[in-house]
Amino acid sequence: AQSVTQLDSQVPVFEEAPVELRCNYSSSVSVYLFWYVQYPNQGLQLLLKYLSGSTLVKGINGFEAEFNKSQTSFHLRKPSVHISDTAEYFCAVSDMSGGGNKLTFGTGTQLKVEL
Amino acid sequence: GAGVSQTPSNKVTEKGKYVELRCDPISGHTALYWYRQSLGQGPEFLIYFQGTGAADDSGLPNDRFFAVRPEGSVSTLKIQRTERGDSAVYLCASSLNRDTGELFFGEGSRLTVL
Repeated sequence: AQSVTQLDSQVPVFEEAPVELRCNYSSSVSVYLFWYVQYPNQGLQLLLKYLSGSTLVKGINGFEAEFNKSQTSFHLRKPSVHISDTAEYFCAVSDMSGGGNKLTFGTGTQLKVEL
Repeated sequence: GAGVSQTPSNKVTEKGKYVELRCDPISGHTALYWYRQSLGQGPEFLIYFQGTGAADDSGLPNDRFFAVRPEGSVSTLKIQRTERGDSAVYLCASSLNRDTGELFFGEGSRLTVL
């Protein structure tokens, strides 16, 4: 079984400032890692994913995340946020042996970008 | 439309009633998933279909919950004898390839049990 911890339930940040949303996971097997974003009144959409290869993954809208196996982390970063980045962000993992699409999600981090 | 469609978007029912929630996936997507999202929580896996069959129903909380996908496209999540604790947003997602982790989610059906 896997679990995901997103310690920050809310992150306020000023526009054009950098941001990091933290994600740690626990699993006894190798995992795939994902970040999904949910804009107000919209469905969840994939921001980026790590399946294999380079540990630095780039996603849509200028976001990137780095897989750190030793620290079991997959933190999400953006060097300069925009008002339109205000949304809820979910980190998720899946068991590689069981097929990649049964996701275990964290509780989410609400990113609020202010002027 | 091109995305995953869920109906109804909102459903209010009384304790003990029967409820059906419908999901119309993206055309051509063979995999379909149901998740449940309670207030302040992340989505929790309920069931996964590959084609018409339920490949994994380990997330269904009890036997009051059942889902079908008879023709390998539209799916219906059925909840019998609803309880107040069933109140949540029920999310449906579909995917083309079961091994890439990219799920396309609908906007969800918000169920409120009074």
